[in-house]
Order: sequence, then structure tokens, then C-alpha cells
Amino acid sequence: GEDVEQSLFLSVREGDSSVINCTYTDSSSTYLYWYKQEPGAGLQLLTYIFSNMDMKQDQRLTVLLNKKDKHLSLRIADTQTGDSAIYFCAETPDTGRRALTFGSGTRLQVQP
Amino acid sequence: NAGVTQTPKFRILKIGQSMTLQCTQDMNHNYMYWYRQDPGMGLKLIYYSVGAGITDKGEVPNGYNVSRSTTEDFPLRLELAAPSQTSVYFCASSYSLGGGNQPQHFGDGTRLSIL
Repeated sequence: GEDVEQSLFLSVREGDSSVINCTYTDSSSTYLYWYKQEPGAGLQLLTYIFSNMDMKQDQRLTVLLNKKDKHLSLRIADTQTGDSAIYFCAETPDTGRRALTFGSGTRLQVQP
Repeated sequence: NAGVTQTPKFRILKIGQSMTLQCTQDMNHNYMYWYRQDPGMGLKLIYYSVGAGITDKGEVPNGYNVSRSTTEDFPLRLELAAPSQTSVYFCASSYSLGGGNQPQHFGDGTRLSIL
């Protein structure tokens, strides 16, 4: 079955860049997503990338996809304290079922 | 638009009790999903629906039932609550089979404790 893995924790200082990594096993993954979850809240879609792309940039967010190594990363430039949250990587395959397979989440702590 | 609305936000149940978690969306989305999130884990799919009258099992369906009588509503029922069902439950919806440009929208979750 599909598997998505992430490191559990990342701590950075305010103003630095954060890089959150994710690996996945499903070679048929079509879309890969990054969601943000703040305490007590649901998941908020941050950005996504289609599998035929290598990179996508959206303001402070840069997503890099290495399809050969099945590796996805999310870079947050100029990290702010408001970026402290749990970040989930998720993927969906090119099949009839469009539910997402999630990683366990990476807790980002931004220190002032 | 309210998006995806879940009720209640919190609930404590005794073992063996039953309850229904409500989920409604006002975006006219065909697809709806129920996930559970255990502490320190990602979300796991319980059930999903591709339209009114159609439901299917996800990864962890045991102990749950769903129905989809309308496009807007997708309730999740626990018939005999067990401690293993203590979790945070998220409902989500999406427009169609589309991918990145038709992402899933999530509710704020229902935190359920079984004691």
C-alpha cells in the first residue's frame, strides 16, 4: 500500500528558512500536497504540486519534487512565529479513489 | 460560505454508547470523506462518498457506519463506542475527481473521547 513518511520535528529561528521533507512510496502519485494544521484546527491546504512538475513557488513557499527518489520538500522562506504548526505531506494516486494518504506530520517550532 | 461544518466540536462517550458525528458542506461538492487522526499520526480514511446514495470503505472502517442521503450531509455513526475510537475526526469534501486544483476542504474536527 501507499506510505508517506516525514520527520517528526523541526525547530528554526525566526527569519531563517525552514525545509520540511517527505518521502512517499506510491509511484502512481499524481498530486502531492502540503497541509498546515494549527492547534485545535482543521487542515488548511498550503500548496500542491502535480507529478510532472519539479518545482512550484508560491510567495514564501517553494515546493521541490524529485520524482525519481520520491522525495518532496517544502521550503518556507523568512519563517515567522505564525508559521509554527504541524505540516502534513499527502498524496493522491491517479486512480478512481481520490482520498489522500497522509504522512504523520512535522511539527515546526519557530523560536523568536 | 461556511465551507465544511462539523458538530459537535467535543464529546465524551461511555463505552458502548452510540453517537452520530455530523458533517455538512455548502460548496455543492460531490465527494466527501471521513478521517480520524490519532495523536502524533497522520489522518487515516474511514469512509468516503462519491455522491448522494454512494458510500465506500476506506482504510479503517470497522466500528463505523455512514450514509449520504443528500449532497450536503455525510454523517458518521459509532454504534458501540470503544476506547480505541478515541480520536479527532475530520470531515472533508472536494468537488470531483480533480486533483490539485480541486483540493479537499476540511472541517475543524470533532474531538471524541471514549471512557
